[in-house]
Amino acid sequence: GQQLNQSPQSMFIQEGEDVSMNCTSSSIFNTWLWYKQDPGEGPVLLIALYKAGELTSNGRLTAQFGITRKDSFLNISASIPSDVGIYFCAGQSTQGGSEKLVFGKGTKLTVNP
Amino acid sequence: EAQVTQNPRYLITVTGKKLTVTCSQNMNHEYMSWYRQDPGLGLRQIYYSMNVEVTDKGDVPEGYKVSRKEKRNFPLILESPSPNQTSLYFCASSLGSFHQPQHFGDGTRLSIL
Repeated sequence: GQQLNQSPQSMFIQEGEDVSMNCTSSSIFNTWLWYKQDPGEGPVLLIALYKAGELTSNGRLTAQFGITRKDSFLNISASIPSDVGIYFCAGQSTQGGSEKLVFGKGTKLTVNP
Repeated sequence: EAQVTQNPRYLITVTGKKLTVTCSQNMNHEYMSWYRQDPGLGLRQIYYSMNVEVTDKGDVPEGYKVSRKEKRNFPLILESPSPNQTSLYFCASSLGSFHQPQHFGDGTRLSIL
């Protein structure tokens, strides 16, 4: 089945640094989604991308839908302690008339004050 | 306040004892879905529902049942739970576009002994 390779698996950064993470696949997706999950809570939708090449921002977060439709990137600028959490990408595609949604395994972000 | 409410939050039970995890949303969303989250495997979709009385299998439906008799509720039923169903479960809802779960519940941690 479809798989998303999300990297890096974990990151340890200093407050104020910028962060980049990405998801890649051998499959083509119609939509890319990025979520953040805090401990003990459900994921929260951060950004949704609908078109190849699309660049969308949400505050200090910026995500891009790769031109090949097989990848997506998330950048966080000027990180702060509350950015700590696990970030997931998800790709949506159509297979045999059914919509499929697959998640990456997550990037765990630690921000040192 | 927009909410997806799951109950119970935690449950320890034994193999074979039927259980139901309830999920309710107050946003009048058409689409609801269930996921399980396991270490190293990320989020995987169990079942989804595009509207009342319309449900379909996700990637890992074996051992689970769902029903959608009314728009706000989407219970997950384990008729004969087994230890390999020990996991963290999330319910999610979204308005219209089912491939973009917008709101997740806070999760239900099930332990099947």
